[in-house]
Amino acid sequence: GQNIDQPTEMTATEGAIVQINCTYQTSGFNGLFWYQQHAGEAPTFLSYNVLDGLEEKGRFSSFLSRSKGYSYLLLKELQMKDSASYLCAVKDSNYQLIWGAGTKLIIKP
Amino acid sequence: SAVISQKPSRDICQRGTSLTIQCQVDSQVTMMFWYRQQPGQSLTLIATANQGSEATYESGFVIDKFPISRPNLTFSTLTVSNMSPEDSSIYLCSVPGGWGQESGELFFGEGSRLTVL
Repeated sequence: GQNIDQPTEMTATEGAIVQINCTYQTSGFNGLFWYQQHAGEAPTFLSYNVLDGLEEKGRFSSFLSRSKGYSYLLLKELQMKDSASYLCAVKDSNYQLIWGAGTKLIIKP
Repeated sequence: SAVISQKPSRDICQRGTSLTIQCQVDSQVTMMFWYRQQPGQSLTLIATANQGSEATYESGFVIDKFPISRPNLTFSTLTVSNMSPEDSSIYLCSVPGGWGQESGELFFGEGSRLTVL
């Protein structure tokens, strides 16, 4: 079967760095996405990785290792507004998106 | 990017009734997707709404329960029929952000939060 695993919840301190991991087992791979979802709101796109390596976009970076079936989202200089759920999703060989359950990130002052 | 409007944003419904959710996009799109997100859970694709043909339903979802209309390239509706408390969820409309299958992100509507009593 197809599976996306990510931690259910993480806590970090304002100003710090946090890494949210995602491991996947899918039938084929055509890209990995990270989305941010604030409580009561729709998901918004953060990043897309299709090749191995690190993609940096401001305070957020996303890393992919296809051989390991692994990705992480790195958030630097954490702000209170970063408190949200972070969803990992993989596009499989049929270009269908498989979603993780999301990681709820709690930022403390 | 696409701007997607969904309504209603939330509703409280009685068991056995049906509710139709509308999704309006500010540009023409070939595919529109309907997702369900139950509390604390992942997004689950219900169906893909194609203009000019019947919607394509995912395993576990049937047309009688979730009829979909797609009258043109900017609009779609999802009806949740004969509702039960298990249908309490957020329903999200989304469209792809680019051209072709190599494109990246999905854009989502604000979601419709349904509570069935």
